[in-house]
Amino acid sequence: GNSVTQMEGPVTLSEEAFLTINCTYTATGYPSLFWYVQYPGEGLQLLLKATKADDKGSNKGFEATYRKETTSFHLEKGSVQVSDSAVYFCAPHRSYSSASKIIFGSGTRLSIRP
Amino acid sequence: EAQVTQNPRYLITVTGKKLTVTCSQNMNHEYMSWYRQDPGLGLRQIYYSMNVEVTDKGDVPEGYKVSRKEKRNFPLILESPSPNQTSLYFCASSFLATAVETQYFGPGTRLLVL
Repeated sequence: GNSVTQMEGPVTLSEEAFLTINCTYTATGYPSLFWYVQYPGEGLQLLLKATKADDKGSNKGFEATYRKETTSFHLEKGSVQVSDSAVYFCAPHRSYSSASKIIFGSGTRLSIRP
Repeated sequence: EAQVTQNPRYLITVTGKKLTVTCSQNMNHEYMSWYRQDPGLGLRQIYYSMNVEVTDKGDVPEGYKVSRKEKRNFPLILESPSPNQTSLYFCASSFLATAVETQYFGPGTRLLVL
């Protein structure tokens, strides 16, 4: 069946460190790939997305590239800030005949130390 | 401001006492859905709606009901809540139910069933 495997947290880094959060998925067809972020006490919001192979999504210094050959969509940022502390969810969206199906990873909690 | 609103934000209730969590969006979105978020499990879809009067089960529908009488509103009903429904609930909406659409989330409703 369709599934997504996301790097387990919590991840704790110092400010200005390099960040990678791994995400791999299994799905038939070609899903669109999303990263959502959940800041403390808030709902999820879109961080970035890529809708076809080799596309790169980027936002707020974060990047992720749709790798069809490895079915991965790893999230990276070159220099994290304290304000990046949040929970990050990888979420493939796949179209069905009647509706899209979104599979959320279990989430990776990121804490950045000043 | 474009948004998804949920009420109440926090709710403590007792087993068997019917409750409704409201969800409303002001973006004229066709697709709406409900998720529950539990530690280590990510987000799991409860019900979704493609449009007015069109609803369907998600992955964990047992113990829940929904209705979609108006495009903007999608209430979640727990007819007889039980302690295993203690969770954080999110309503989400998107313009259409296709794979490329971004989901917009409400702020969440934290429910405790005693």
